[in-house]
Amino acid sequence: LAKTTQPISMDSYEGQEVNITCSHNNIATNDYITWYQQFPSQGPRFIIQGYKTKVTNEVASLFIPADRKSSTLSLPRVSLSDTAVYYCLVGAGNMLTFGGGTRLMVKP
Amino acid sequence: SAVISQKPSRDICQRGTSLTIQCQVDSQVTMMFWYRQQPGQSLTLIATANQGSEATYESGFVIDKFPISRPNLTFSTLTVSNMSPEDSSIYLCSHDRDRDTEAFFGQGTRLTVV
Repeated sequence: LAKTTQPISMDSYEGQEVNITCSHNNIATNDYITWYQQFPSQGPRFIIQGYKTKVTNEVASLFIPADRKSSTLSLPRVSLSDTAVYYCLVGAGNMLTFGGGTRLMVKP
Repeated sequence: SAVISQKPSRDICQRGTSLTIQCQVDSQVTMMFWYRQQPGQSLTLIATANQGSEATYESGFVIDKFPISRPNLTFSTLTVSNMSPEDSSIYLCSHDRDRDTEAFFGQGTRLTVV
């Protein structure tokens, strides 16, 4: 399973766009890139998943360069409620290997 | 959306005792997973539970300490045996509805061992 590296923490302000980058240099051909969000006292919640190029849904965008050795989660116009830990996962199949995550703090 | 219910949501237990955590899914799923999240840390997979077979444990976790049951396709239990303060963590179950795209997690069980 590919190891991921993310910044430990990030600060932002309401209304700003937040980009969290994850490195996964030894990603395998079959691996997908998935991001989860976790609030205190809750289980992780799926945000977005991609394989290459760009994926967008109603809450986020995921940018994946051609070499797939990194990915960037983009949160448009964050609010205070986006304060959470964001996990980047790389793998194929059902078992999830969580890295350290990025603790995002959104300030007013 | 998928619903996973965990019970209890939290408990405080005496060292040396055991606690069984229940996980109920609102539909049949092939695989269920148990994770541990120590205070301020990320999630670590404990084991994978398939119905009708023994659970598969990850490195560092053993059946004697964390016995798991999977009696049917909607239910699983994790027991934390002979507890010590080091077992104080949040324990979470999850499933993926047999898809690779998205995993669903319960709200977790916050265990404190005193």
